[in-house]
Amino acid sequence: LAKTTQPISMDSYEGQEVNITCSHNNIATNDYITWYQQFPSQGPRFIIQGYKTKVTNEVASLFIPADRKSSTLSLPRVSLSDTAVYYCLVGDIGMFSGGYNKLIFGAGTRLAVHP
Amino acid sequence: EAGVTQFPSHSVIEKGQTVTLRCDPISGHDNLYWYRRVMGKEIKFLLHFVKESKQDESGMPNNRFLAERTGGTYSTLKVQPAELEDSGVYFCASSQGGGTGTDTQYFGPGTRLTVL
Repeated sequence: LAKTTQPISMDSYEGQEVNITCSHNNIATNDYITWYQQFPSQGPRFIIQGYKTKVTNEVASLFIPADRKSSTLSLPRVSLSDTAVYYCLVGDIGMFSGGYNKLIFGAGTRLAVHP
Repeated sequence: EAGVTQFPSHSVIEKGQTVTLRCDPISGHDNLYWYRRVMGKEIKFLLHFVKESKQDESGMPNNRFLAERTGGTYSTLKVQPAELEDSGVYFCASSQGGGTGTDTQYFGPGTRLTVL
């Protein structure tokens, strides 16, 4: 599975847009990009997933350039409750793999949102 | 819809004792995964069930760990005998599977295991 690199920590203020970029230079053709959020004492929570271009849901947007060697998670207008660790994962979780695969977590990005 | 649940939320045991962790996946999810985070480390994969069958147990650290998923519903992870280095948070995740489209894993809150 492709290895990912993301910043160890980021700081922001309430109401700002936060962009967290993840590098995955060795991403394979069948790999998808998935982002999880984790609060202290909780399990990782799925945020968004994509393969290419742009994906948007009610929580975030995911931007993936054409070469797919990186991706950017965008959180619009963050609040204090967005303070958490954000994980970028890549892996073959599509129909080619049978629809399942183990997730490989890195250290994640610790986002701190300040008042 | 109920999410993934895990029991107990915390467990404190003495070295050498046995502990059994339980995971109830989201109803209808064929795939069930166990992960753990030991102190200061990253979340690591332990094993994966498809229904009642072990699909991948490459992450199981040693034979003191035994996972079961009877009837393809809930799963248990038994540690016997527990060692100090087994302390950490054990997460369970489930996904629908079926091989159509992408497969998203949903995590439970975890069980915090402390071995003294």
